[in-house]
Amino acid sequence: DAKTTQPPSMDCAEGRAANLPCNHSTISGNEYVYWYRQIHSQGPQYIIHGLKNNETNEMASLIITEDRKSSTLILPHATLRDTAVYYCIVRVALYNNNDMRFGAGTRLTVKP
Amino acid sequence: DTEVTQTPKHLVMGMTNKKSLKCEQHMGHRAMYWYKQKAKKPPELMFVYSYEKLSINESVPSRFSPECPNSSLLNLHLHALQPEDSALYLCASRGVGLKNTGELFFGEGSRLTVL
Repeated sequence: DAKTTQPPSMDCAEGRAANLPCNHSTISGNEYVYWYRQIHSQGPQYIIHGLKNNETNEMASLIITEDRKSSTLILPHATLRDTAVYYCIVRVALYNNNDMRFGAGTRLTVKP
Repeated sequence: DTEVTQTPKHLVMGMTNKKSLKCEQHMGHRAMYWYKQKAKKPPELMFVYSYEKLSINESVPSRFSPECPNSSLLNLHLHALQPEDSALYLCASRGVGLKNTGELFFGEGSRLTVL
């Protein structure tokens, strides 16, 4: 019973913004949205997380809709090195919650 | 030091062998994870240790035996594996203090081939 739904694949032109959607219509009030990415043959890498406010860091921006049923990860100026599988995860962010499960993710291909 | 180090990077073993995968971190994280990842699939949670105690076991077959000898080390002992157990095995760690964000730090993985 997947908590998140993501498109299986997306393309983006180099230098353009990549907008990766995630649907989490059954999200609970105390669940956060996390994003990770996995570049080929490497371990997953944390990108960003948020509860209800939009978040931005040096890697990306996270936009969460007001009803929290969906979110979008934005890579503002995609490069070829951003080609990876991007995973959206919903979980309760309590310090003692050890659960972190990955869904199918979106395979983003950045093209020259 | 924000690294999770996994050894060996590659391992080939027969079905009757006994081998171990090792994971080490020195970030003071008290939660450590094993994931299994098959080609073109997402990582699949296997085990979680919290404060050196097994917290989550996702009904993994007993031929996989985890061990957390101290807060920096996590092992995965392998015995009588099957060819379908061939996969990338990923280790991760997480800080569990109140100030931690819940972010997991992953190693590069150990690629296991069972012949």
